[in-house]
Amino acid sequence: EAQVTQNPRYLITVTGKKLTVTCSQNMNHEYMSWYRQDPGLGLRQIYYSMNVEVTDKGDVPEGYKVSRKEKRNFPLILESPSPNQTSLYFCASSPGTSAQPQHFGDGTRLSIL
Amino acid sequence: AQKITQTQPGMFVQEKEAVTLDCTYDTSDQSYGLFWYKQPSSGEMIFLIYQGSYDEQNATEGRYSLNFQKARKSANLVISASQLGDSAMYFCAMRGTRGGSNYKLTFGKGTLLTVNP
Repeated sequence: EAQVTQNPRYLITVTGKKLTVTCSQNMNHEYMSWYRQDPGLGLRQIYYSMNVEVTDKGDVPEGYKVSRKEKRNFPLILESPSPNQTSLYFCASSPGTSAQPQHFGDGTRLSIL
Repeated sequence: AQKITQTQPGMFVQEKEAVTLDCTYDTSDQSYGLFWYKQPSSGEMIFLIYQGSYDEQNATEGRYSLNFQKARKSANLVISASQLGDSAMYFCAMRGTRGGSNYKLTFGKGTLLTVNP
């Protein structure tokens, strides 16, 4: 089954404790992206990757890191999480050469205390 | 810059009736894609339907159809024969084709649809 898999689905942690949200897709998509969703602010792009070893900042990259060492994986790293990073996070992927739909993972609800 | 406007914060519809969710967009791109996503209360983002800017026919996917009026820059979602399971937040979104930051999805603020029995 074609899918984007995020882990964990839920996480409660404390300020400053490094964490990684994993994302994996099995559709051989070139393009992958991270979004966060916040009430009143909607969905905003954090980082994106056009292909392996090619990543770039989205609209709200501060406090986040990403890497793309393999085509299928695109982890989101919070080196020193803070409460303002409490949010619902989505990973998405799509073929990279046209305006095709992005397919989303089920989301990660992250709470930073 | 791309912009999506959804003017209906909430909509109510009776089960088995049709409902139209409005979406207008703004972009200077000639080539782009328009999308509708459904987000139930459980939180996942489900892709529903896609319309390319050069597609001459309106997209359809089962009970979903996209009423695309390019000159008016509108891309309304029509759900026929509503079901209780259609109750959710619906987002209109778009992305370009020029690569890089132009590939990101720009979302509207969403419409909360409630289907009444």
